[in-house]
Amino acid sequence: DTEVTQTPKHLVMGMTNKKSLKCEQHMGHRAMYWYKQKAKKPPELMFVYSYEKLSINESVPSRFSPECPNSSLLNLHLHALQPEDSALYLCASSQDHGQENTEAFFGQGTRLTVV
Amino acid sequence: GEDVEQSLFLSVREGDSSVINCTYTDSSSTYLYWYKQEPGAGLQLLTYIFSNMDMKQDQRLTVLLNKKDKHLSLRIADTQTGDSAIYFCAERWNSGAGSYQLTFGKGTKLSVIP
Repeated sequence: DTEVTQTPKHLVMGMTNKKSLKCEQHMGHRAMYWYKQKAKKPPELMFVYSYEKLSINESVPSRFSPECPNSSLLNLHLHALQPEDSALYLCASSQDHGQENTEAFFGQGTRLTVV
Repeated sequence: GEDVEQSLFLSVREGDSSVINCTYTDSSSTYLYWYKQEPGAGLQLLTYIFSNMDMKQDQRLTVLLNKKDKHLSLRIADTQTGDSAIYFCAERWNSGAGSYQLTFGKGTKLSVIP
């Protein structure tokens, strides 16, 4: 099982809404990631959790708030977003963020539209 | 891990071979990856190669690595219409303090003509 599951697949939210994106993996991976991908662009790293602790925050605005409740789950809480935050949000996991030889598996993404 | 370059478009006829090229800048990169992304979907890991290898073959896929020139290629034999997608090259590099990151190229859009 190399599956990373993301929900919801699509989300439309207003600028005053609060919503959450969810990501789940059962591969025993200890590193989980959030990426943002705008149309026709490569994914850009937002956050890295390693052993359930936030290890990298790529200067992401505070309206994005990650949470890692346990080793299988990763959430991204959204509040007061802007239309330019509309993008595909991808979750990924890998066995260990600190190891050289580790594959990163991606979920199918949540297509977010902020109106 | 600062820069990964790819050509943006490639068009081939069904049944021909496709070759997608990538160059990277970080000589300390340890693993290099190829991901496939179909419209509206996430990234599918296709294959990867360790930096001390120069070739890896997996069914229709062949990865060639020229470490001296920091050049990576993905060859798809007998290209099918289902191979139409965007292909991202990514390098895994040491970002310090015992952690590694992926940097992606801009992606090559492969169009397969029936």
